[in-house]
Amino acid sequence: GDSVTQMEGPVTLSEEAFLTINCTYTATGYPSLFWYVQYPGEGLQLLLKATKADDKGSNKGFEATYRKETTSFHLEKGSVQVSDSAVYFCALKHASDNNDMRFGAGTRLTVKP
Amino acid sequence: GAGVSQSPSNKVTEKGKDVELRCDPISGHTALYWYRQSLGQGLEFLIYFQGNSAPDKSGLPSDRFSAERTGGSVSTLTIQRTQQEDSAVYLCASSPQDLSGNTIYFGEGSWLTVV
Repeated sequence: GDSVTQMEGPVTLSEEAFLTINCTYTATGYPSLFWYVQYPGEGLQLLLKATKADDKGSNKGFEATYRKETTSFHLEKGSVQVSDSAVYFCALKHASDNNDMRFGAGTRLTVKP
Repeated sequence: GAGVSQSPSNKVTEKGKDVELRCDPISGHTALYWYRQSLGQGLEFLIYFQGNSAPDKSGLPSDRFSAERTGGSVSTLTIQRTQQEDSAVYLCASSPQDLSGNTIYFGEGSWLTVV
């Protein structure tokens, strides 16, 4: 079945460091791919998405490119801030089949000043 | 309302008691989802509604769990005879029925503690 595998955390970085959180997926067809973020004490928020191969989603300095050839959707940011400390979830969903959205296990990021 | 609303936001209950968790989806959203997030764990799919029907109940962990949705809007997740392992955050999400990537929107969750 469809699944998402995320880089295990926790990840600890210094402010202004480069961030990569790896995400790979297994799915039939062409799912849409998402990154959600959960800040401490809050619910999940959509960070960015991509709906087809080679699309790049971007928001708040974060980027992820839908790579069909490697079935990946890695999250990157060039310079992290303390306020980026959160749990990041990679997810996939088929646009033509309103079934459940499959989530990765989440990666906790802590950014130190 | 503007977003997905869940209640109660926090619930402490004694083992063996029944609890009901409520979700008000975004107005007009036809799909509604329940997920569970245990401490330090990822998101576990529980059940999904399309309108008032639940085509996929495969994620409900046991027959103590049930959910319903009425009027294509509000949903209630009921846990009977709660156990300590039921302690988790229960997240509700809703989604419009469109083909533009089907982004889903989450509520802030109901934190359940069974003591």
